[in-house]
Amino acid sequence: KAGVTQTPRYLIKTRGQQVTLSCSPISGHRSVSWYQQTPGQGLQFLFEYFSETQRNKGNFPGRFSGRQFSNSRSEMNVSTLELGDSALYLCASSTPTGRLNTGELFFGEGSRLTVL
Amino acid sequence: AQSVTQPDIHITVSEGASLELRCNYSYGATPYLFWYVQSPGQGLQLLLKYFSGDTLVQGIKGFEAEFKRSQSSFNLRKPSVHWSDAAEYFCAVGPYNQGGKLIFGQGTELSVKP
Repeated sequence: KAGVTQTPRYLIKTRGQQVTLSCSPISGHRSVSWYQQTPGQGLQFLFEYFSETQRNKGNFPGRFSGRQFSNSRSEMNVSTLELGDSALYLCASSTPTGRLNTGELFFGEGSRLTVL
Repeated sequence: AQSVTQPDIHITVSEGASLELRCNYSYGATPYLFWYVQSPGQGLQLLLKYFSGDTLVQGIKGFEAEFKRSQSSFNLRKPSVHWSDAAEYFCAVGPYNQGGKLIFGQGTELSVKP
């Protein structure tokens, strides 16, 4: 079956703009997590959505937000972009068991954001 | 604080040689432990995971890892490395009941010499 699909794959924005990234999880997966990957900070957890509700949130400012739709597709938004927001944004889906999630994440190829 | 440490930023091994990538974690409760691999320009792929039970776990592509609670370690091993194993490897730890919130190590970049 199809894997996790992220769009767009590459994008360039300027400081102060906003950006929306999209993620389509594997069919049947109801949990979607977002991570930011940078050379300096590595992989950092942004947030997780399950059944349209944010279940976990990392330590990022409020400029980073997300949502999940009834079909489990998710979007994340970054407003008022800063140079430091340049990163690879990875989406991952998983199949939780009730409230538990085995943590076995299936990652997309990411959206590479460059902020100029 | 919860953390994962991968002491080796970059490792080079010859093709056919054995490999061991180190991972140490600091975690207050029983952790779920994972190893992921990332090829250039790609997302992460799960190699193996440990939840409970046998402390030696087998994964894909001939990799295995051993969980040692006393040493808070979860080292990844492969008896014979192939050139296609060149990639970045990430160790991660996750809580039992906090979903997709994994804590990743900084990664170890593996180069393979012919």
